[in-house]
Amino acid sequence: DIVLTQSPVLAVSLGQRATISCRASQSVSISSINLMHWYQQKPGQQPKLLIYRASNLASGIPARFSGSGSGTDFTLTIDPVQADDIAAYYCQQSRESPPTFGGGTKLELK
Amino acid sequence: QVQLKESGPGLVQPSQTLSLTCTVSGFSLMDYSVHWVRQPPGKGLEWMGRMKYDGDTYYNSALKSRLSISRDTSKSQVFLKMNSLQTEDTAIYYCTRADYGPFAYWGQGTLVTVSS
Repeated sequence: DIVLTQSPVLAVSLGQRATISCRASQSVSISSINLMHWYQQKPGQQPKLLIYRASNLASGIPARFSGSGSGTDFTLTIDPVQADDIAAYYCQQSRESPPTFGGGTKLELK
Repeated sequence: QVQLKESGPGLVQPSQTLSLTCTVSGFSLMDYSVHWVRQPPGKGLEWMGRMKYDGDTYYNSALKSRLSISRDTSKSQVFLKMNSLQTEDTAIYYCTRADYGPFAYWGQGTLVTVSS
């Protein structure tokens, strides 16, 4: 199985940029298609898709969210961070079955 | 619009079998795959298994011996059955639709507590 590694916690100030990373144990890219996706989860809610295929914004997601990366290293950027963005963020790969999730990064206020 | 909703017992006794239903609307189970994902309290997301649009199933290897996923396309329902439940199976159980890779639509989740 492909293992996805995220840092557990990231502390950020409101109005600043947050960079959340996800590293895969093997490449999750096929040709130029990067099969990595990002989710936001607030307490008591189901996960919400933010970014699909590494850099595509899901429907209704604000433009302050962006994604980048290829191969094994991927990044979710929030710029600028707003109070409503305080949540947990998960990466997920669909390159191989089974699909796997990273352990999640909890975004906290400094 | 696309909706998924999980239903089932909130409490299951240890060693018993969990049965959950995911009822979907706004799409056909013959066009999209539906997956089950669970989340223990305060922990991360664990993929459990999926019912593919063609009826094929695939399971997390760690759960395979205990898990079964089936469906009734006429009722737009996907079923999860997992036996020999233990306290570590206490979690929120979600069903989610896979849109050719990412999970774009999720149910609200149902909390299952394993306790005597």
